[in-house]
Amino acid sequence: GAGVSQSPRYKVTKRGQDVALRCDPISGHVSLYWYRQALGQGPEFLTYFNYEAQQDKSGLPNDRFSAERPEGSISTLTIQRTEQRDSAMYRCASSLAVTGRAGETQYFGPGTRLLVL
Amino acid sequence: GDSVTQMEGPVTLSEEAFLTINCTYTATGYPSLFWYVQYPGEGLQLLLKATKADDKGSNKGFEATYRKETTSFHLEKGSVQVSDSAVYFCALSHTGNQFYFGTGTSLTVIP
Repeated sequence: GAGVSQSPRYKVTKRGQDVALRCDPISGHVSLYWYRQALGQGPEFLTYFNYEAQQDKSGLPNDRFSAERPEGSISTLTIQRTEQRDSAMYRCASSLAVTGRAGETQYFGPGTRLLVL
Repeated sequence: GDSVTQMEGPVTLSEEAFLTINCTYTATGYPSLFWYVQYPGEGLQLLLKATKADDKGSNKGFEATYRKETTSFHLEKGSVQVSDSAVYFCALSHTGNQFYFGTGTSLTVIP
């Protein structure tokens, strides 16, 4: 595809509900990253994948957050039992090469704005 | 740990004014440094980058030089345009596996 796409663009949910956020990376990009961006802040790393393997999930805030990328392409970030503090913009990015190469550019999607009531 | 500190905004300039947005970093080793831009309603886009000390990244009239001695990567443009109004993020990455972003600086250019 032309760029990284994310869906839905906006999600409003009630506290306690589960949500699934989808990321479709640029075709052929090996690495995929999830970030969370609070209002007025920069993106904060959550987790990343090389192909289908989750390499680092140290940024996930707690065990309600999980991510998968079963076929090495599309990824889903799932938040269980949502809380109001989960409200933020969730951004996905992809890069062409396997991580480990300095200077590798990440290409960002438009984000999913999540609002938990 | 690694971190990036950006000049706080918002910044408001008149068209054709000179722009500087300060960025300093804390990191072990030799990270790569980036400036990303977020236009209203859009996602983050890479503006420029530098991968080693003394490198200068440049794009669309913007420049930033990787200064190891001052751990800085200040963004500059000689003459801003209304279309440059956006939020600018400084970031660093060691091996490309995760980026550390600053808090962003909002720039508004008025005609």
